Amino acid sequence: EPEVTQTPSHQVTQMGQEVILRCVPISNHLYFYWYRQILGQKVEFLVSFYNNEISEKSEIFDDQFSVERPDGSNFTLKIRSTKLEDSAMYFCASTQGGAGQPQHFGDGTRLSIL
Amino acid sequence: RKEVEQDPGPFNVPEGATVAFNCTYSNSASQSFFWYRQDCRKEPKLLMSVYSSGNEDGRFTAQLNRASQYISLLIRDSKLSDSATYLCVGTKAAGNKLTFGGGTRVLVKP
Repeated sequence: EPEVTQTPSHQVTQMGQEVILRCVPISNHLYFYWYRQILGQKVEFLVSFYNNEISEKSEIFDDQFSVERPDGSNFTLKIRSTKLEDSAMYFCASTQGGAGQPQHFGDGTRLSIL
Repeated sequence: RKEVEQDPGPFNVPEGATVAFNCTYSNSASQSFFWYRQDCRKEPKLLMSVYSSGNEDGRFTAQLNRASQYISLLIRDSKLSDSATYLCVGTKAAGNKLTFGGGTRVLVKP
């Protein structure tokens, strides 16, 4: 069964540094997402991406965040200047987008900001 | 009011027993609902979609009540491997973001 893959599985970064999280969505999917989950809290939406542009973003997704689909397979999330509160699990998801189609999640990147 | 609310539990369930729990949603614009399962520090995995007519997948039964704005999940003949956090999830339309509840933790014990 095709799956969403994410790298790295764990990223440790000094506060203020830039970090790039990578995702390879399922190949025939059209909609791509990033979510995050702070330890002990619920999964929160960050951003959705369709047709090579952001379709929706949450309040969390401020100017420090950006997304890119640099080629036909990768989907990246960049945090320009990391803060301690950015420490969380970051999940990438994708879907074909049809009515009722669920989103499929990658196994996540654990981001630890020191 | 939170968009999707769940009883955090834990629900302690003897192996082989039946457990049921609900989720309420406040945004009537939400059209599609799902139950995802999340194991500790892992990604959410789709358990099942939820339909207004009710649907069953093996030991799992989901129900959506739009009039009262709640979704239910029932697990029959609980297995130890059913121990997990069950996430109630809504979305407004195809391709839209998912809105997650905080999850209901289920612990199945021998």
